Amino acid sequence: DGGITQSPKYLFRKEGQNVTLSCEQNLNHDAMYWYRQDPGQGLRLIYYSQIVNDFQKGDIAEGYSVSREKKESFPLTVTSAQKNPTAFYLCASSRVSTGGMYEQYFGPGTRLTVT
Amino acid sequence: QKEVEQNSGPLSVPEGAIASLNCTYSDRGSQSFFWYRQYSGKSPELIMSIYSNGDKEDGRFTAQLNKASQYVSLLIRDSQPSDSATYLCASTDSNYQLIWGAGTKLIIKP
Repeated sequence: DGGITQSPKYLFRKEGQNVTLSCEQNLNHDAMYWYRQDPGQGLRLIYYSQIVNDFQKGDIAEGYSVSREKKESFPLTVTSAQKNPTAFYLCASSRVSTGGMYEQYFGPGTRLTVT
Repeated sequence: QKEVEQNSGPLSVPEGAIASLNCTYSDRGSQSFFWYRQYSGKSPELIMSIYSNGDKEDGRFTAQLNKASQYVSLLIRDSQPSDSATYLCASTDSNYQLIWGAGTKLIIKP
């Protein structure tokens, strides 16, 4: 089955610790995205990547880092510099077109709680 | 600032009726529009995409786009309790990134 996997589903960390969230896709999509969702709010873009070894900051990149060493993988590190890291993190992927936007498909998400 | 606006709801609709969800966007350059359904605690699931003015139908779902009025809507016919969810509207910006609305919570009452 083609799809996007995220692990773990739930993650608990102490304040001051860095944590890495995994995202893998086997859809052969070029573009991958990380979003954050807080209760009652829409999705906010953290980072995105349209090609291997390249990525761009989204609207709320401070305190986060990413890498894109393989087409299939786009891990997100939440660093201790992120002031309010507790949230629902969503990874998505899409095809890329020069003429427009293809649909984004989401993984199941990782719910991070930092205390 | 480019925005997508949705009424947060909740929108309560009797089972079997038509649910109408609305969304407005501020960026006249937006080319693509998407409706996602999100159940509580789950990730968003794409249900409709629309790129041209007019209506697009898929089963019980119809998306409507009016670029002149910067308005996109989603109609759900024969609403079922399983349609109860939050519906997210999104449009593309000039960099082909998605701008998201905060979502409308829909409740279908049996």
